[in-house]
Amino acid sequence: DAGVIQSPRHEVTEMGQEVTLRCKPISGHNSLFWYRQTMMRGLELLIYFNNNVPIDDSGMPEDRFSAKMPNASFSTLKIQPSEPRDSAVYFCASSGEGFQHFGDGTRLSIL
Amino acid sequence: AQSVTQPDIHITVSEGASLELRCNYSYGATPYLFWYVQSPGQGLQLLLKYFSGDTLVQGIKGFEAEFKRSQSSFNLRKPSVHWSDAAEYFCAVRTSGTYKYIFGTGTRLKVLA
Repeated sequence: DAGVIQSPRHEVTEMGQEVTLRCKPISGHNSLFWYRQTMMRGLELLIYFNNNVPIDDSGMPEDRFSAKMPNASFSTLKIQPSEPRDSAVYFCASSGEGFQHFGDGTRLSIL
Repeated sequence: AQSVTQPDIHITVSEGASLELRCNYSYGATPYLFWYVQSPGQGLQLLLKYFSGDTLVQGIKGFEAEFKRSQSSFNLRKPSVHWSDAAEYFCAVRTSGTYKYIFGTGTRLKVLA
């Protein structure tokens, strides 16, 4: 079992650039979640999908953030344009049997 | 609205001592309850979960938790802490009928040698 795979593990970019985070959920899982973790705000749910359909995106902070799940094995979280306050660790998690499996996260730094 | 409270932000214990991390939730019906652990630089790993049945649940790494409906609590316990248990611990609740999980703010555990 490969687990939830996120890429890249680290991303450093300049303010204003587009950032794309990627996630491959565990095969067979039908729910996928994107979280953001910071010291100040803790773990925040950004959006979650069920069967590739976005169910709740109320946690997406601004229109600069967008997420897609074109198929059951891939999802992206995009920030355009990025800002320094977007710096955080972004986690993807998938669920298929009642609890979430987390990836190791992408540490994003916006300069 | 549903919520999860972990009243202790930091806890320090000596290696070999017992541990209890507190978790309280706010929800009308019986929720699904979870404890996760996060080591530095890693994602969250499931320690244990409660869906129904026996209110004392066993998890990995020697952890257990007890669901107490009357107190709306789901406290995590370990009889003897090891240095490798130093990490951050998150309590979470999932409401039935939805896919949404609500996490507490976490408790950071420090273990003294």
